Amino acid sequence: EVQLVESGGGLVQPGRSLRLSCAASGFTFDDYAMHWVRQAPGKGLEWVSGISWNSGSIGYADSVKGRFTISRDNAKNSLYLQMNSLRAEDTALYYCAKGGCGGDCYIDYWGQGTLVTVSS
Amino acid sequence: QLVLTQSPSASASLGASVKLTCTLSSGHSSYAIAWHQQQPEKGPRYLMKLNSDGSHSKGDGIPDRFSGSSSGAERYLTISSLQSEDEADYYCQTWGTGIRGVFGGGTKLTVL
Repeated sequence: EVQLVESGGGLVQPGRSLRLSCAASGFTFDDYAMHWVRQAPGKGLEWVSGISWNSGSIGYADSVKGRFTISRDNAKNSLYLQMNSLRAEDTALYYCAKGGCGGDCYIDYWGQGTLVTVSS
Repeated sequence: QLVLTQSPSASASLGASVKLTCTLSSGHSSYAIAWHQQQPEKGPRYLMKLNSDGSHSKGDGIPDRFSGSSSGAERYLTISSLQSEDEADYYCQTWGTGIRGVFGGGTKLTVL
């Protein structure tokens, strides 16, 4: 059974940093691309960032480019999102998601999310 | 620019069928998409991948009541024999080259 468990969320002041983690199990982690998707309160889904199976291809939404960094550790079956210079508009539930292939394709599994609140 | 457009809301009666639409932006009519369901207060759930020719592959445990079809730039999700638990937000998703994700704005389905 595929499991994606996010951690690292919390309350943080504007301008500060936070690092999210996602522990994956139930599939061969290093075969698949992984993504972060967020959902602001009462809003729709917003793709944040994605990384290919071997970290050779990485993408970011324009809203986070230059502030967020995605990475993965295939030896630890883990995905990360380093979030710097956080803004109030980054407040959201952040989901870890598994890609359906190693590169550009759809999402086929979701975690339950970790909440990030940016406020002074 | 790769954009997905969805109607904000839809409604249908218990036991009836409903067809939700996701429209790809101009120049992207050959793209495949995925459909995701988000029930109230829950995380999203993958329903299916839907190709431009209408072929689709569903996620684990997705009932036969859920099906997909395509016509030009439009991608459809049909839910038959509507049940109360089908009341949810439905999102379409596609992807571009270079690891880039795109979501539609979502359709809120009300089961009457």
